[in-house]
Amino acid sequence: GNSVTQMEGPVTLSEEAFLTINCTYTATGYPSLFWYVQYPGEGLQLLLKATKADDKGSNKGFEATYRKETTSFHLEKGSVQVSDSAVYFCALSEGTGANSKLTFGKGITLSVRP
Amino acid sequence: DTGVSQNPRHKITKRGQNVTFRCDPISEHNRLYWYRQTLGQGPEFLTYFQNEAQLEKSRLLSDRFSAERPKGSFSTLEIQRTEQGDSAMYLCASNPGTGRTDTQYFGPGTRLTVL
Repeated sequence: GNSVTQMEGPVTLSEEAFLTINCTYTATGYPSLFWYVQYPGEGLQLLLKATKADDKGSNKGFEATYRKETTSFHLEKGSVQVSDSAVYFCALSEGTGANSKLTFGKGITLSVRP
Repeated sequence: DTGVSQNPRHKITKRGQNVTFRCDPISEHNRLYWYRQTLGQGPEFLTYFQNEAQLEKSRLLSDRFSAERPKGSFSTLEIQRTEQGDSAMYLCASNPGTGRTDTQYFGPGTRLTVL
């Protein structure tokens, strides 16, 4: 079955530091890949997505590239802010109908200190 | 468009009681999903509706769980004879259902505590 593996957390960074959060996946087909973010007290929000190999998703200064050869979708940001403190989830889905359900990783908590 | 809403936001119940949660998806979204999230874990898929039809159920959805979407709009998730292991955040999500990579929009969740 499908699975998503995220690096162990939590992660604590100083403001303006470089961020990398690793994500690898196992899928039977050709999934779409997503990063969702959950800010304190709020629901899950889509941060970015990529639908095919070599696509790069980007939003709010975050980027992730769909790497089929390494089955990875690592999240990066060049300079984090305190407001980026949240829980980040990597996820995949394999298409339409019942396959459109999302499979999530465990999530990782990011804390950014001033 | 007010987003996906879920009620109640919090529910505390005693073991053995029945509980029902409601999800109102974004208007005209055809697909509706239920997920369960326990502490320190990512959300896990429970079930999925295309309009009023329930098309898939996870093995996580035991016989004590039932979900409905009678008119293809709001959905309810009922848990009968609750157990302490049912304590979790129950999330609802919807999407338009028109494409392969439709974004799923999540509600704030219902946090269930079973004493």
